[in-house]
Amino acid sequence: KAGVTQTPRYLIKTRGQQVTLSCSPISGHRSVSWYQQTPGQGLQFLFEYFSETQRNKGNFPGRFSGRQFSNSRSEMNVSTLELGDSALYLCASRPGGGSSYEQYFGPGTRLTVT
Amino acid sequence: GESVGLHLPTLSVQEGDNSIINCAYSNSASDYFIWYKQESGKGPQFIIDIRSNMDKRQGQRVTVLLNKTVKHLSLQIAATQPGDSAVYFCAENTLNAGNMLTFGGGTRLMVKP
Repeated sequence: KAGVTQTPRYLIKTRGQQVTLSCSPISGHRSVSWYQQTPGQGLQFLFEYFSETQRNKGNFPGRFSGRQFSNSRSEMNVSTLELGDSALYLCASRPGGGSSYEQYFGPGTRLTVT
Repeated sequence: GESVGLHLPTLSVQEGDNSIINCAYSNSASDYFIWYKQESGKGPQFIIDIRSNMDKRQGQRVTVLLNKTVKHLSLQIAATQPGDSAVYFCAENTLNAGNMLTFGGGTRLMVKP
C-alpha cells in the first residue's frame, strides 16, 4: 500500500505571496492532519480534516487554512506569507472512525519564504 | 537534509548497547502516547504506541514504558544499530478531544559503530 504523499517536496516563495500544499493520504484513510515543523518551535498541530470537515484546529492565525476533498485528499493554503512561515509542513493520515489511532506521516513539503 | 532542531538533547551510544530515550509529557488528561523516529529528509515514522491503561508495551527491539504518576514516557531500544540513528519524538493525545498530537522537543540518537 502506498504511503502518504505530499507535493511539492520543495517550494520557494516571496513574502506576501500565497501557497497551496497538497497531501494524498494512504488509501482508505479518511483523516488527514497537518503539522508545521521548525527548529525553534518543533512540531505543531495545524488542523485535522475528516470526511471533508475540519474537526480540530491548532493555534495558528487565519492565514493558514485547509480543505479536504471527497477522495480524502487534502490541501492547505497559507496566504500573505511571512518569513516565519518557512518550515517543513507535514501531513499525516489515519483510518479515522476510532478504529486505529496510529498516524502515518508523509515526507513533508519544505517551504522557504524569502 | 532538513534540520529538525538546532539544540536537541543528544544521546550517544555504542552499537550493540541498549538505548533509553526519555520524555516528560504535559497533559495529565492525555490517554494515548506515541513514539516517532525521524531521519534526515523524511517525515516522522511511527515506532510504537501505548494507551494510558497500560504501563508497558513491547515491539520488535523496542519497549515503551509509561509512568502516569510522574507523567513520564520512555523508549528503550535493544541492541542499538547504526540505522537507529535519528531524532526521536514522543507525542501525546487525548483521544476524546480529537486527533491533535502534541509533540515533545525530540532527542537525537547517535550510534557509534
